Amino acid sequence: DVYLVESGGGLVQPGGSLRLSCAASGFRFSEYSMNWIRQAPGKGPEWVAYISSRGETIFYADSVKGRFTISRDNAKNLMHLQMNSLRDGDTATYYCAHSSGYHWGQGTLVTVSS
Amino acid sequence: DIQMTQSPSSLSASVGDRVTITCRASQSISNYLNWYQQKPGKAPKVLISGASTLQSGVPSRFSGSGSGTDFTLTISNVQPEDFATYYCQQSYRTLITFGQGTRLDIK
Repeated sequence: DVYLVESGGGLVQPGGSLRLSCAASGFRFSEYSMNWIRQAPGKGPEWVAYISSRGETIFYADSVKGRFTISRDNAKNLMHLQMNSLRDGDTATYYCAHSSGYHWGQGTLVTVSS
Repeated sequence: DIQMTQSPSSLSASVGDRVTITCRASQSISNYLNWYQQKPGKAPKVLISGASTLQSGVPSRFSGSGSGTDFTLTISNVQPEDFATYYCQQSYRTLITFGQGTRLDIK
């Protein structure tokens, strides 16, 4: 079975930083591109960032460009999202997801508040 | 970006009803369209991919159709466990986008 487990969420003040991680298992992680997707309370999902299987191609949503950095470590089956200069509007549950859309983690909650 | 517009935003139905949710893309996306079901506190779960392919384990009362810009999700004979929020999502572009969701409530 495919498992994606996010960690690293929490409460942070505006302007602060957090690093999210996604641990993958049950599939050949190094062969698949991955996404970070977030969902603010009561809202629909919003794509945040994409990374190709080897990490050579990366895209960001305009709302996070210049503040967030996606990366992956295929040797450890891990993906990360470094989030800097956090804003109130970044408050959401953050999911890592297989690029097919078929597999999502359970999500980790990021709350940006003073 | 490709905009996805769902309608209605909410829907009330009784057990046994047939319901239809529509999704329109701002440009042609061929059949690169997924439908998700989300229940409170859970991650979205894919029901249908490729506009009409039912995922393994998903009841046959769910069906999807459409191509190009206009798509539909139909639930025939709605069951109590189907009351949830449904989202469409295009995978035509690497920059995926979602509809705003349709909340299906019990009448």
